[in-house]
Amino acid sequence: DADVTQTPRNRITKTGKRIMLECSQTKGHDRMYWYRQDPGLGLRLIYYSFDVKDINKGEISDGYSVSRQAQAKFSLSLESAIPNQTALYFCATSEFGSYNEQFFGPGTRLTVL
Amino acid sequence: LAKTTQPISMDSYEGQEVNITCSHNNIATNDYITWYQQFPSQGPRFIIQGYKTKVTNEVASLFIPADRKSSTLSLPRVSLSDTAVYYCLVGEIPYNTDKLIFGTGTRLQVFP
Repeated sequence: DADVTQTPRNRITKTGKRIMLECSQTKGHDRMYWYRQDPGLGLRLIYYSFDVKDINKGEISDGYSVSRQAQAKFSLSLESAIPNQTALYFCATSEFGSYNEQFFGPGTRLTVL
Repeated sequence: LAKTTQPISMDSYEGQEVNITCSHNNIATNDYITWYQQFPSQGPRFIIQGYKTKVTNEVASLFIPADRKSSTLSLPRVSLSDTAVYYCLVGEIPYNTDKLIFGTGTRLQVFP
């Protein structure tokens, strides 16, 4: 969905490097999410935010941190990347009152060597 | 935690109706049932969502029995472009957001 953009789309980095993945949305949604997907598996929730001052851990937050700089921006950081963080990362947004309907970005493919 | 169980894979032919059933025996009173579609290397796309009985939109129908312990996604007259992975989720944002789990989904293959 072009309303949710992620940068970069692909990134190769080395073990120990700090990496930031960025997500921007023009949908005007208050709620934003970060997921990771490993090959052949479903998505797992890393962090989520329901407004600018709200940050919540998801199922697999260890090794990650996030920043909600504005309603439209939600960044995911890997403070010291490790190879098992190699995955496809998705950002998503949702609207208040929409229950479980989320809109996903195109994804960022991250490889940690 | 309302865990879901779906078939790992299904095959169909173009023009047929496909029904994918999801079991969620531990569904909570306030939980909604939501289905997503995902193509390779793309983000999931919302298909349909419901609480009880039947919900229909331009893409699919969702059948939910009275006990809500299962649900069935129905795709009418599938085409090759419906080949994808389909996920069933149970929960309710924001009350149990971290319990909203995308399992391994059902891989649907549509043949000509």
